[in-house]
Amino acid sequence: DIQMTQSPSSLSASVGDRVTITCRASQDISNYLAWFQQKPGKAPKSLIYAASSLQSGVPSKFSGSGSGTDFTLTISSLQPEDFATYYCQHYKSYPPTFGQGTKVEIK
Amino acid sequence: EVQLLESGGGLVQPGGSLRLSCAASGFAFSTYAMSWVRQAPGKGLEWVSAISSGGANTYYADSVKGRFTISRDTSKNTLYLQMNSLRADDTAVYYCAKTREGWFSFDYWGQGTLVTVSS
Repeated sequence: DIQMTQSPSSLSASVGDRVTITCRASQDISNYLAWFQQKPGKAPKSLIYAASSLQSGVPSKFSGSGSGTDFTLTISSLQPEDFATYYCQHYKSYPPTFGQGTKVEIK
Repeated sequence: EVQLLESGGGLVQPGGSLRLSCAASGFAFSTYAMSWVRQAPGKGLEWVSAISSGGANTYYADSVKGRFTISRDTSKNTLYLQMNSLRADDTAVYYCAKTREGWFSFDYWGQGTLVTVSS
């Protein structure tokens, strides 16, 4: 199975900060990479697919980049509604796997 | 508007069975593969099972293979997960997820249903 490793596991940031989360795959997944946002008690919400394509309705402050094994999710200016846990997921092959999550907290 | 509404969760004893349902609306259900993804309390996301658009092909995580069965009824726009021989480590919120394309690229998720396996 392909292992997905996110860093950091958690971070503290202030409103207005630029935040970057990293995801590394244990083998080449091309651009078969998605990012999800999850708030407490809620379902995951799709943000990014194909490493850099924005899901319809998601604000442009979210962006994704990378290919192969190394990927990043960037939030350009953190807002109160962005405090949540973020997960990456590969969908290159069976079985799809998720990173362990990055919790973004208020500083 | 895409809507996915899970039901069927609850408390079950170890070794017991449960069937989850996911009612879909707002899209052409028969056109897309679907999956179940679960999340144990305080833990991350774990993909469980997937089914092709027509229902002929299925995939399972090793952790549930031989115990869980995924199916779909296109006449009812409903996805199912039959869970047998349940164990304590199956305790989780179970989400159904619609696939954007292919097998495992998820674009919409239901709100989830909690399954608790305990005596």
